[in-house]
Formats: sequence, structure tokens, C-alpha cells
Amino acid sequence: AQKVTQAQTEISVVEKEDVTLDCVYETRDTTYYLFWYKQPPSGELVFLIRRNSFDEQNEISGRYSWNFQKSTSSFNFTITASQVVDSAVYFCALSEAQYNFNKFYFGSGTKLNVKP
Amino acid sequence: EPEVTQTPSHQVTQMGQEVILRCVPISNHLYFYWYRQILGQKVEFLVSFYNNEISEKSEIFDDQFSVERPDGSNFTLKIRSTKLEDSAMYFCASRGLAGGPLETQYFGPGTRLLVL
Repeated sequence: AQKVTQAQTEISVVEKEDVTLDCVYETRDTTYYLFWYKQPPSGELVFLIRRNSFDEQNEISGRYSWNFQKSTSSFNFTITASQVVDSAVYFCALSEAQYNFNKFYFGSGTKLNVKP
Repeated sequence: EPEVTQTPSHQVTQMGQEVILRCVPISNHLYFYWYRQILGQKVEFLVSFYNNEISEKSEIFDDQFSVERPDGSNFTLKIRSTKLEDSAMYFCASRGLAGGPLETQYFGPGTRLLVL
């Protein structure tokens, strides 16, 4: 079973549109972290945000916002007024506390294409 | 800001050859990881390493793979006899001790390995 599911394989939007990337996770742990990473065409993983399982407050950082809902096991990511530079693959990841060596479980990624 | 570095950034090798991918984790970190990303797919956990030994490995990490921390700074992944399917981006990550199991892992920029 997938620990992290990103059902949207690819999304295309026109610049300035808002876009939401979905992430659904599965864990039996009560303590865990969720992450979003951006992977531009150059290939590196750029850390965007980390949320712990005890903090369901939504977060906004500039044009980025995150909606964490434990009731639906979702951690969705919204880009407001998208720009061409937002084009990348975005990965959601889960890290569980029960394992001290906390490997990351990554979703399969959502490729975002922002067209001018 | 401290960062994880990886060398080389790209490597091309012939099938059956041995390759060593090198990583320099953040200096005070104690937990080290290798992940793999086959082109167009998700990032997958390979192995975690702590206290000079493997703490966990995935089913991908078979006898062809080994890891080592030969000195106080480097962390290496060796593939003894490369196969075509080993072609992927390999990411090294490290984390410190302070935050416990949920401390953020910091990823290196990756080594893109191509096996011909």
C-alpha cells in the first residue's frame, strides 16, 4: 500500500492561475512529519515545508499555502498566482516517528506546467 | 548555511563496472541516507546508516550495493557491478540528532548515474 499518494500526475495551468496539488498519506503513527519538495528540471530536491502531526494550522508563505487536515489524511499545497518559474515536479513526503531512522516515503510526484 | 554535497554530479559508466558515489553530509549530522530516483519516477529509500553501520535497507539495496563512511566526512555508495536499471539520480541525505527521529533530512543535489 502506498504511504503517500499524489493522484495528480500532471497539471497544466496558465500563468496567474491558482493551482492546488493534492497529497494523501497513510500512517498508523500519531507522531509524524509531512514535507513538500520541489524538483526543478535541474533535478535537485528543494525543501519547501515541514509540518508535524500535532500542528494542523494552515500555513501561508508568500504565494504558497498548505492545508493540513488529519481528518482526511491530506496535506494539500496551493500556489496562488502561479508563475512560469513554478514549473517543476512537486513531491509530498511522510516521515514517521516510530522508526528512529525515519526514512522518507515519497509520493510519485505531480508535474506542474505553468504556461505563459 | 551548511549543505550536503555530492560528487560527481553526473557519471556515465559501462554495464558491469563499479561506481562509487560520494557524499559529504552536514558536519555535525549523525544519520545518513541514500535514495534513488529512476527517471520520471518517485524518490525511493535505499539505505540508512548510523554509528558506522546500516540501520535499515530497502529491498532495492541488494548485495551489489554497499555503503561506507571511510573517514569523518565522506559517506559513499558503491555499486559493484552496475546494471542498466541502476541508471537513476542518487540522492544523499543527512540529519542531526537534536530533533530526534523527526528531525529534517537535508538532501544533496544528487548524482545522475547513467549505465550504458
